Amino acid sequence: DVVLTQTPPTLSATIGQSVSISCRSSQSLLDSDGDTYLNWFLQRPGQSPQLLIYSVSNLESGVPNRFSGSGSETDFTLKISGVEAEDLGVYYCMQVTHAPYTFGAGTKLELK
Amino acid sequence: QVTLKESGPGILQPSQTLSLTCSFSGFSLSTYGMCVGWIRQSSGKGLEWLANIWWNDYKYYNPSLKNRLTISKDTSNNQAFLKITNMDTADTATYYCARNYGGYRLDHWGQGVMVTVSS
Repeated sequence: DVVLTQTPPTLSATIGQSVSISCRSSQSLLDSDGDTYLNWFLQRPGQSPQLLIYSVSNLESGVPNRFSGSGSETDFTLKISGVEAEDLGVYYCMQVTHAPYTFGAGTKLELK
Repeated sequence: QVTLKESGPGILQPSQTLSLTCSFSGFSLSTYGMCVGWIRQSSGKGLEWLANIWWNDYKYYNPSLKNRLTISKDTSNNQAFLKITNMDTADTATYYCARNYGGYRLDHWGQGVMVTVSS
């Protein structure tokens, strides 16, 4: 199975600060169709995961544009440009290039 | 508006079979390319993808649980189902269903149903 390693496990930020989360894959997530299926989710306390970014860099409808995704092959980054209070929670990366789909262990974003 | 909602027994004893239902609206599982997936979340193993079922009834299972899983659908009633046999305390988790748009984009999730396995 593909292992996704997220760093850091915990991230402390002030409101307005820009932060980045890394997701590294144990193998390339470039699919034979030319796309790379790496997604990012936010899970707020007591809620279900919410899709933020799909296929590395595509912003899901309704998600604020302070969220952005980048990367290729095995190294991926989620950036939040100006953290807001509603952004607090746990962020997960997930790959759907290789079966079985797998998730990272999560990065908890908290207020400093 | 797309919504999904899981339902299940809440508590099971070890060795019993878990039956879950995902009732959804705002899309059809008969639409080309549509897919519904099941995912679970436990404190011990984090998020774990379990199975997908596609509009054409193609099914794919996580190999680590494949022998225990059965996914199915009722397109007419907008429902998907998951059965897990031989439940163990390690299967205690919150179980989610999600629309898997195109098979690569879990864009809408249910609220989840908590399942506890205990004797």
